[in-house]
Amino acid sequence: AQSVAQPEDQVNVAEGNPLTVKCTYSVSGNPYLFWYVQYPNRGLQFLQKYITGDNLVKGSYGFEAEFNKSQTSFHLKKPSALVSDSALYFCAVQGTGFQKLVFGTGTRLLVSP
Amino acid sequence: SAVISQKPSRDICQRGTSLTIQCQVDSQVTMMFWYRQQPGQSLTLIATANQGSEATYESGFVIDKFPISRPNLTFSTLTVSNMSPEDSSIYLCSVDSGQGNTIYFGEGSWLTVV
Repeated sequence: AQSVAQPEDQVNVAEGNPLTVKCTYSVSGNPYLFWYVQYPNRGLQFLQKYITGDNLVKGSYGFEAEFNKSQTSFHLKKPSALVSDSALYFCAVQGTGFQKLVFGTGTRLLVSP
Repeated sequence: SAVISQKPSRDICQRGTSLTIQCQVDSQVTMMFWYRQQPGQSLTLIATANQGSEATYESGFVIDKFPISRPNLTFSTLTVSNMSPEDSSIYLCSVDSGQGNTIYFGEGSWLTVV
């Protein structure tokens, strides 16, 4: 069965500094990996995905994510954080041939001015 | 991307009552999914709804409690039956856009059971 781990409940970073939100996964076969963001009192917004191809995936709002097959990781990154990036971030995995998304527990990102 | 509208966006419900949540998509989609997000928790899949067939429920969710309809390729409903305070959650509709496995979500329906 597929699973996702987000080891950090919260990540704190100062505005302008780089940020990383960690995600590791377990799945049979090749993974489809996703990042979603949830702002307060909102639904989930799609940020980016990895299906195949380059290990560094450019996403929305200046985010990128790095896929590492040997470490089974898909960390979310941004070179320079904004206060408006403060939100709840979910990593999700979808195994080959399945369309169900399995979510991690979420990481709250807090960017301070 | 798909545009997904959910109604109601929020509601406060009395225990023992039932509430039906509607999900409308702006394009035809094969797969629709219903998720639950309990307060402070991650998302859990309730069921997958395909047009023209019975919904497929995940472990821990049953049709009597969460009946689902999928009358066409752009619409689905989820009913939360005989509600208790434990059903207070965000219920999210999502669809597979068919564009490279990307799944999009609606804004959610925020239910509080009192």
